Amino acid sequence: DVKVTQSSRYLVKRTGEKVFLECVQDMDHENMFWYRQDPGLGLRLIYFSYDVKMKEKGDIPEGYSVSREKKERFSLILESASTNQTSMYLCASSAQEGVEAFFGQGTRLTVV
Amino acid sequence: AQSVTQLDSQVPVFEEAPVELRCNYSSSVSVYLFWYVQYPNQGLQLLLKYLSGSTLVESINGFEAEFNKSQTSFHLRKPSVHISDTAEYFCASMNTGFQKLVFGTGTRLLVSP
Repeated sequence: DVKVTQSSRYLVKRTGEKVFLECVQDMDHENMFWYRQDPGLGLRLIYFSYDVKMKEKGDIPEGYSVSREKKERFSLILESASTNQTSMYLCASSAQEGVEAFFGQGTRLTVV
Repeated sequence: AQSVTQLDSQVPVFEEAPVELRCNYSSSVSVYLFWYVQYPNQGLQLLLKYLSGSTLVESINGFEAEFNKSQTSFHLRKPSVHISDTAEYFCASMNTGFQKLVFGTGTRLLVSP
């Protein structure tokens, strides 16, 4: 069974903290994505990666960075968390263009 | 620029009634199109997809969508909905030759008895 695993379902962090969100896939997929989901705004792409050490900015990369040192793992980093980064974060992976993207269960991050 | 528009944020409907969820896309190149569904407190899962060929695509649970290039639309339809179809539905596009997957803002389908 295909699986995308996000390390935490719920996180509470303080303003200014450095936050790491981890995502692991077990399908040997080339592409991995980070989205944030907010009511009324849908899913907005933060960053995506199409290969190890390769990354591209999505539509809302400000305040975030990513790391992909191994094919199966894609990390989202909030360098200095702010309250406006309180959101649901979704990780996804896909094998190639046009093929289904598989999503993790999401991490609900609250920054206080 | 690549974008997806879902004009209806919420669609209330009675059980066994037909429903249409609208999706329009914008792209300067050929696209792949997708509908994803998110049930309460769950992740997203693929409902159906258009890659090429027949413009009408179907899911296993009775939904269908039709790719209309001239109207740049990919509306989702079901002739008779069930209570269990209550969920949020997201339309997404991917330009051919690229890996960037872009989503619309979602439509919440509310099915009542």
